[in-house]
Amino acid sequence: NAGVTQTPKFQVLKTGQSMTLQCAQDMNHNSMYWYRQDPGMGLRLIYYSASEGTTDKGEVPNGYNVSRLNKREFSLRLESAAPSQTSVYFCASRGGGPDTQYFGPGTRLTVL
Amino acid sequence: GENVEQHPSTLSVQEGDSAVIKCTYSDSASNYFPWYKQELGKRPQLIIDIRSNVGEKKDQRIAVTLNKTAKHFSLHITETQPEDSAVYFCAATNFGNEKLTFGTGTRLTIIP
Repeated sequence: NAGVTQTPKFQVLKTGQSMTLQCAQDMNHNSMYWYRQDPGMGLRLIYYSASEGTTDKGEVPNGYNVSRLNKREFSLRLESAAPSQTSVYFCASRGGGPDTQYFGPGTRLTVL
Repeated sequence: GENVEQHPSTLSVQEGDSAVIKCTYSDSASNYFPWYKQELGKRPQLIIDIRSNVGEKKDQRIAVTLNKTAKHFSLHITETQPEDSAVYFCAATNFGNEKLTFGTGTRLTIIP
């Protein structure tokens, strides 16, 4: 039982390049989330998916797109990376009941 | 929407002393309040949570208190140890709400 996994762990992009961050969970959770974490700003929600086939914007969705590929997988895509998107990205999942979110190990992204 | 404020942003305590971190929330409908610990370079992990039908919850050296009238909740760590050094995040939501609202975090440093 790996919990929530993310790939890659580190990535360096040039401005204007695109990339997709991958997230998968093996806990049979319905809800999945993408956050970004910047110094002094805590965790900010980018997008979330309450169930397979649905996605919704969070607090900071501009410049990102998401795909809920199936119940296990939720990807985050940067179509044209900008230096302002330099951050640590965390994926999380949540089952029903106690509303606890479980986080993946994070992806450290640098955009030059 | 919900707004969560967290204080202090940094906290240093001598090993063995107690540490207290405080959060206030704005939405009176919130009824679930988790606390996450994030060690350097690691993912946030749930350490304790409380629901609005109780005023206090303890788990060994950590405890959380909730004052619904004043809309604030606090994390208490007693007999602090070096491994307690980390960033702590509070959060708030209500059951059925897909989103957690996080505070901006407290960097706790335990001085040996």
